[in-house]
Amino acid sequence: GAVVSQHPSWVICKSGTSVKIECRSLDFQATTMFWYRQFPKQSLMLMATSNEGSKATYEQGVEKDKFLINHASLTLSTLTVTSAHPEDSSFYICSALSGVSYEQYFGPGTRLTVT
Amino acid sequence: GENVEQHPSTLSVQEGDSAVIKCTYSDSASNYFPWYKQELGKGPQLIIDIRSNVGEKKDQRIAVTLNKTAKHFSLHITETQPEDSAVYFCAPSAGGSYIPTFGRGTSLIVHP
Repeated sequence: GAVVSQHPSWVICKSGTSVKIECRSLDFQATTMFWYRQFPKQSLMLMATSNEGSKATYEQGVEKDKFLINHASLTLSTLTVTSAHPEDSSFYICSALSGVSYEQYFGPGTRLTVT
Repeated sequence: GENVEQHPSTLSVQEGDSAVIKCTYSDSASNYFPWYKQELGKGPQLIIDIRSNVGEKKDQRIAVTLNKTAKHFSLHITETQPEDSAVYFCAPSAGGSYIPTFGRGTSLIVHP
């Protein structure tokens, strides 16, 4: 089946620093990738939709200057959390939409802890 | 926007029993109806999906049924096993965007 990887799987950073999370579709091309945030025991909250070669579309309430998304190729999207603060600590999950089946495949998630 | 409700929020069954989780949606344009399984500390995994032109789909112990008139679809798991214990999410989407709206999740606990 289709595989999506995320790197790193977990990261601890100091308040004020920036963190980059990579999302890759390993065996298929994804024109569209999604970024989600999930708090403990809650559902997934869509942060933004990114299309290859164009600017990401952010959901209401998500600061685009804080959560920078770059979809540089059909297999790679990155999320950069800039000037991270403890309230940004969360589980970040990406997904990639198969351009063939239109099924969505999720990465394993990245646990971000900001101290 | 789409309003999605998922019931129950928690479901506890004995191994071997069946489990049913229901998802109700509001957008009549929804045409893609997936179910995801999420284990603790992992990303969601697509386990079964159905599109609007089909009423039922089955894959071994898992099935999904769709009632477009009533705007709900359900996940059915038969002969449950402890490894089925996880949180299950429905996430219907509409049109060509395939942007899903996730339900709140159902925590399924299968007791050995």
